[in-house]
Amino acid sequence: QVQLQESGPGLVKPSQTLSLTCSVSGDSISSDRYYWSWVRQPAGKGLEWIGRIHVSGTTKYNPSLKSRVTISLDTSKNQFSLNLNSVTVADTAVYYCARDRGSGYGMDVWGLGTTVTVSS
Amino acid sequence: SYEVTQPPSVSVSPGQTASITCSGDQLGNKYVWWSYQRPGQSPVLLIYQDNKRPSGIPERFSGSNSGNTATLTISGSQPLDEADYYCQTWDIDSGVVFGGGTKLTVL
Repeated sequence: QVQLQESGPGLVKPSQTLSLTCSVSGDSISSDRYYWSWVRQPAGKGLEWIGRIHVSGTTKYNPSLKSRVTISLDTSKNQFSLNLNSVTVADTAVYYCARDRGSGYGMDVWGLGTTVTVSS
Repeated sequence: SYEVTQPPSVSVSPGQTASITCSGDQLGNKYVWWSYQRPGQSPVLLIYQDNKRPSGIPERFSGSNSGNTATLTISGSQPLDEADYYCQTWDIDSGVVFGGGTKLTVL
């Protein structure tokens, strides 16, 4: 059974960098079948795709966040990470990691989500 | 950037059929998938590649996609179907695009 678990600081100061890690169990992030994605959801609002990465190193980011986002893989730890710099209160949200097979298959496994608050 | 639009809310009586639409330019030329999310929970994949169901999803959930509109149909709606439903698609420039979500009420 594939499981994803987000981890990282729950509080980040404005202008600093938000860093989260997604630990994957039951599957290898080195598999070329999947992309590994980040999605966020501000309280009471809809889902927003942040970006994804493939083991080949290919990344794709939401154009609205592209200048501030980096997603990376650590195959030795079977984890992938999100860095979002220059955060503001608008970046306060629940952050989810998810597995995506691409080609219209959708995100079939999700983490439980982690709440990140941007506040001084 | 590419956008898809959903109605904010849909209401249906128990046992009846609910339809949730997702509209976008030439959407029928793209794959659409649907997820649902109950309050406080993570999203769950419901339909992929327009009309396929992952294992464990009941047959009363179905999808279609043609022209500018994709539709999620829920037959025999039940109170446990109350959730937020999101359509998604892939655009070469925008990446994964989420609809704004539709809150389904069964009453």
